[in-house]
Amino acid sequence: KNEVEQSPQNLTAQEGEFITINCSYSVGISALHWLQQHPGGGIVSLFMLSSGKKKHGRLIATINIQEKHSSLHITASHPRDSAVYICAVPGFGNEKLTFGTGTRLTIIP
Amino acid sequence: DTAVSQTPKYLVTQMGNDKSIKCEQNLGHDTMYWYKQDSKKFLKIMFSYNNKELIINETVPNRFSPKSPDKAHLNLHINSLELGDSAVYFCASSHGSSGLGRPYEQYFGPGTRLTVT
Repeated sequence: KNEVEQSPQNLTAQEGEFITINCSYSVGISALHWLQQHPGGGIVSLFMLSSGKKKHGRLIATINIQEKHSSLHITASHPRDSAVYICAVPGFGNEKLTFGTGTRLTIIP
Repeated sequence: DTAVSQTPKYLVTQMGNDKSIKCEQNLGHDTMYWYKQDSKKFLKIMFSYNNKELIINETVPNRFSPKSPDKAHLNLHINSLELGDSAVYFCASSHGSSGLGRPYEQYFGPGTRLTVT
């Protein structure tokens, strides 16, 4: 079973700050998912990446397959970025996702 | 148009009752999932169906029975509800077949908050 750890668990920052959330996993994977859960409860898939880096607006996700580590960065953070960010990895050979415990991000105006 | 929809959004019921949660996706996906999010916000997979066939069945009590009448629908029926069943249940869908190892992005429904009293 893949063990997924996220850090930090909670993060509070001022608007405009550069944010980094980290995710480590124990077993090699085909891809890693980053999800965002809004305060209202809905879950949105932000990225699925297998190697290197992906960018979408102010969000950047990177992954290092050798080190079994991924980071999610937010540039020029805004209060609307306040949410729980969750990384998830599939089990070998199937889509069964194992989720991290999430990082609760709060951006203060 | 909502891609993955769930009904109801909220469900409050008493212990011992039987209830169902419905899920529908209009994305043309082959695979659908049920996840449970507990009070500590930890997500865990319960079931996965591919083209109406059960692919993943985690160690979930047999009081929980998923049913997929077609590949666009995956319903969750729960018998003899217990206090510990209180949680938010998310449905999701993705392209492709579980079991082949190729990763696919998953699209989540809005969740159903179940409260058992």
